[in-house]
Amino acid sequence: GAVVSQHPSWVICKSGTSVKIECRSLDFQATTMFWYRQFPKQSLMLMATSNEGSKATYEQGVEKDKFLINHASLTLSTLTVTSAHPEDSSFYICSAPSTGRETQYFGPGTRLLVL
Amino acid sequence: TQLLEQSPQFLSIQEGENLTVYCNSSSVFSSLQWYRQEPGEGPVLLVTVVTGGEVKKLKRLTFQFGDARKDSSLHITAAQPGDTGLYLCAGARGNQGGKLIFGQGTELSVKP
Repeated sequence: GAVVSQHPSWVICKSGTSVKIECRSLDFQATTMFWYRQFPKQSLMLMATSNEGSKATYEQGVEKDKFLINHASLTLSTLTVTSAHPEDSSFYICSAPSTGRETQYFGPGTRLLVL
Repeated sequence: TQLLEQSPQFLSIQEGENLTVYCNSSSVFSSLQWYRQEPGEGPVLLVTVVTGGEVKKLKRLTFQFGDARKDSSLHITAAQPGDTGLYLCAGARGNQGGKLIFGQGTELSVKP
């Protein structure tokens, strides 16, 4: 079946630094990918829609200059958390829809801890 | 405003009991998915329901999509400790490129 990978699986960084998270579709092409943020024992909160060849679409309240998204190819989207602060610590998950767009395949998530 | 209301948000039961999780909305969805997520991992798809009134079974799990495609339920029979996890429902609308609307999630704990 379709697989989505994320790298790194976890990262610890100092406050003020930037962190890049990669999301790859391994055996299918994804013109669209989605980035989510999740706090412990809570549901997924959609941050933005990553579009191959065009700008990302951000959800209300998500700072586009803070969370930079680049959809470099049909199998890769990256999320960069710029000038990270402790409140950015969270679990970040990406997903890519199936060809018919009725099913989402989720990555394993990236745990970010900002000290 | 939460577009997809999921309940209950927390559920702690004994092994062998039955349970039902509900997802309700005032909006119509083209499809609805149920996911299970374990700590530190991404959600894993359990089932996708597409047709109003559809019922799907996955071993001890029964999923139902409402006739009007506005609500869904997940019923677990004879729950086991291995069923423990976060269950998420998510609805899709056909004209939004795969974008999902998630419910609040149900944290299930099954005690032996």
